[in-house]
Amino acid sequence: DAGVIQSPRHEVTEMGQEVTLRCKPISGHNSLFWYRQTMMRGLELLIYFNNNVPIDDSGMPEDRFSAKMPNASFSTLKIQPSEPRDSAVYFCASSTADTQYFGPGTRLTVL
Amino acid sequence: SQQGEEDPQALSIQEGENATMNCSYKTSINNLQWYRQNSGRGLVHLILIRSNEREKHSGRLRVTLDTSKKSSSLLITASRAADTASYFCATAPNSGNTPLVFGKGTRLSVIA
Repeated sequence: DAGVIQSPRHEVTEMGQEVTLRCKPISGHNSLFWYRQTMMRGLELLIYFNNNVPIDDSGMPEDRFSAKMPNASFSTLKIQPSEPRDSAVYFCASSTADTQYFGPGTRLTVL
Repeated sequence: SQQGEEDPQALSIQEGENATMNCSYKTSINNLQWYRQNSGRGLVHLILIRSNEREKHSGRLRVTLDTSKKSSSLLITASRAADTASYFCATAPNSGNTPLVFGKGTRLSVIA
């Protein structure tokens, strides 16, 4: 099993640019979670989907953030426009029960 | 917002010693999980303990849960240099596919 796949692994962009992070969950998992990790705030839930439907997006910082899950094998997290304070590691995780399986993360740096 | 608080924030021990990390949380839970994160990597699930369980073992790992005190501990016995990582507790208010609420983690360094 390939595990959760995220791309890109690293992204460096300039303030104001659009950033799209991608995630492929483990096949057969029906829940997908997007988390953000920073030194100051630790791991925070941004949004999660059950069966491709967004259930809770209350963790999305503001309207600049949006997430989609068009099918069971793909999800995107978009930031537009990006700001330096968005710099963080973004993790995608999938699950079929209690245990979550994390991808390797995308390290985003906004200059 | 953070649910769990790990203690200590950082721990340095010699190889072969035991490492104990603690986690306190605030609200009722269905289960509590421990994850490990190596530097620059994603989180890896270690062990899950449900609210009706008091202790669980997996290899060199021992987890306890005290729901009356809203606390848990993770014990790693006979530590190895490869155990060097950050360890996070995460709580789930319900069973099934619900988000986890993570603490800020304990950074464990095992010195060979």
